[in-house]
Amino acid sequence: EDQVTQSPEALRLQEGESSSLNCSYTVSGLRGLFWYRQDPGKGPEFLFTLYSAGEEKEKERLKATLTKKESFLHITAPKPEDSATYLCAVQADSNYQLIWGAGTKLIIKP
Amino acid sequence: NAGVTQTPKFQVLKTGQSMTLQCAQDMNHNSMYWYRQDPGMGLRLIYYSASEGTTDKGEVPNGYNVSRLNKREFSLRLESAAPSQTSVYFCASSDGGGRGVFGPGTRLTVL
Repeated sequence: EDQVTQSPEALRLQEGESSSLNCSYTVSGLRGLFWYRQDPGKGPEFLFTLYSAGEEKEKERLKATLTKKESFLHITAPKPEDSATYLCAVQADSNYQLIWGAGTKLIIKP
Repeated sequence: NAGVTQTPKFQVLKTGQSMTLQCAQDMNHNSMYWYRQDPGMGLRLIYYSASEGTTDKGEVPNGYNVSRLNKREFSLRLESAAPSQTSVYFCASSDGGGRGVFGPGTRLTVL
């Protein structure tokens, strides 16, 4: 069964304290892995797509990496405005639908 | 360029009442989706439409119906609302891949 697990459920950091969020997945043939950001009361907003192991994508303080079993979202020197819930989803070769993780709620304290 | 719009933003229903959630996109995307989001759970796909004129069931279709009215619009109908359908509903569109654009959501409470 295709499955996505995100950890931790919540993460509190001080401003400037770097860390990583994890997205573990099991899927029968990966078509793509996607990271989204969701602010309270809003819809998810697309961040990155990763297609194959070893691939990396960067945007400002965020860098996403991918292996055959998991993806990491690295946050370098975060700021309070990086506070949000970060969602991971996978799309299998055999299925059009996205399978979503429950998300990691990131709180950055000034 | 409004992206994806949803109406209404908030709704309170009594058990057994019906309602339709409206969604429209202006990005000329072929694919549209309806998700529900519940606390502690990932987004769950209710229905999707890969192209105008087609609709398919997702993970949790029971109690819902959809209509792809044209390329821009995709509506979700609850025929007889139940408390278990209390949730936040998101409409999304895409060019067929996983890079979707989401609407702002409809917060539905069923009493």
